[in-house]
Amino acid sequence: AQSVTQPDIHITVSEGASLELRCNYSYGATPYLFWYVQSPGQGLQLLLKYFSGDTLVQGIKGFEAEFKRSQSSFNLRKPSVHWSDAAEYFCAVGAPTGGFKTIFGAGTRLFVKA
Amino acid sequence: DAMVIQNPRYQVTQFGKPVTLSCSQTLNHNVMYWYQQKSSQAPKLLFHYYDKDFNNEADTPDNFQSRRPNTSFCFLDIRSPGLGDAAMYLCATSRVMIGTGSAYEQYFGPGTRLTVT
Repeated sequence: AQSVTQPDIHITVSEGASLELRCNYSYGATPYLFWYVQSPGQGLQLLLKYFSGDTLVQGIKGFEAEFKRSQSSFNLRKPSVHWSDAAEYFCAVGAPTGGFKTIFGAGTRLFVKA
Repeated sequence: DAMVIQNPRYQVTQFGKPVTLSCSQTLNHNVMYWYQQKSSQAPKLLFHYYDKDFNNEADTPDNFQSRRPNTSFCFLDIRSPGLGDAAMYLCATSRVMIGTGSAYEQYFGPGTRLTVT
């Protein structure tokens, strides 16, 4: 069965520092991969997606992610974090079995310190 | 702008009193989802519609029902809310395009925060 692991429950970075959020997935074929961001009390917003092709994908708000098949990873990166990036980040994988469902990781809470 | 709208944003109901949450979308997407999200947890899928086809998750309690009268609207009915049903309820949509992963690219509404007293 498909699964998504986000090893870090929370991460704290200084404003202006670089960021990497880890995501590992379990899926037999080429997965459809996503990163979403959720601010407190809000819905989830799609940051970026990977379907196929170039393994480095660019998203909104200056985020990028790299698909590494050999490591079953899809880590999210940002070169310089802003205080407004503080939020919950969810990695997700499309699950073609059993309808059009998406499997979400448990999330990583990002704290940004001044 | 095309979007997913949820009403109300905040809902307070009494223990055991039926409540309905609504979701509408202007994206013309053919899949609509309902999620339950509790504090500091990932969204938990309750059910989804692909057009008129209803797909219930195996562990969704019978207390939760859904209706989709047309493409644009979807409702979540909680027949007898318990204290454990207090949560954020998220509606999402996606569009199935054969041969692409777009069906899994979900667009979320802002959520309805349900409080049970």
